[in-house]
Amino acid sequence: EPEVTQTPSHQVTQMGQEVILRCVPISNHLYFYWYRQILGQKVEFLVSFYNNEISEKSEIFDDQFSVERPDGSNFTLKIRSTKLEDSAMYFCASNRDRGTDTQYFGPGTRLTVL
Amino acid sequence: AQSVTQLDSQVPVFEEAPVELRCNYSSSVSVYLFWYVQYPNQGLQLLLKYLSGSTLVKGINGFEAEFNKSQTSFHLRKPSVHISDTAEYFCAVSELGRGAQKLVFGQGTRLTINP
Repeated sequence: EPEVTQTPSHQVTQMGQEVILRCVPISNHLYFYWYRQILGQKVEFLVSFYNNEISEKSEIFDDQFSVERPDGSNFTLKIRSTKLEDSAMYFCASNRDRGTDTQYFGPGTRLTVL
Repeated sequence: AQSVTQLDSQVPVFEEAPVELRCNYSSSVSVYLFWYVQYPNQGLQLLLKYLSGSTLVKGINGFEAEFNKSQTSFHLRKPSVHISDTAEYFCAVSELGRGAQKLVFGQGTRLTINP
């Protein structure tokens, strides 16, 4: 069964450094998402992406964040200058159609900012 | 804006006992409702979803949920749990008719099955 994959599984970085989290969505999916979960808190929506542009973003997704689909298979989340409070589990998801279609989630990348 | 409340952060249950995980939501418009499960060190997996029609929805692994519009609830139930059901369970909603489908999650309920 096709699945969403994410790399790396765990990323440790120093405050102020740039990080890129990578995701490979399911191949025939058209809508892509990033969510994050700070330890002990709920899963929060960050951004959705369709047709090579952002569809919606949350207030968390400020100028330090960006997303890109560079090559038709990868979907990346970049944090330009990481802060301590960016430490979280980051989940990528995708679905084929909006509305009723199930979002399929990847296993997540745990980001630790020191 | 929508919000989701899962009333129990942790639920311990004995094996083969029934379980109910509670979820209430708030929204000014009609919504779709979901339950996702997260096993240790894995991503989120869909258990079941309510889109329309029958208010009783059956999902994978013997789980079911009932949509109650008047009480704005979508509680998850299983008549007899197994050790393998130990996981974190998330209730989520998305609004009808929006573009790309943003999910709003509850805080999660950790289900622990004791032998």
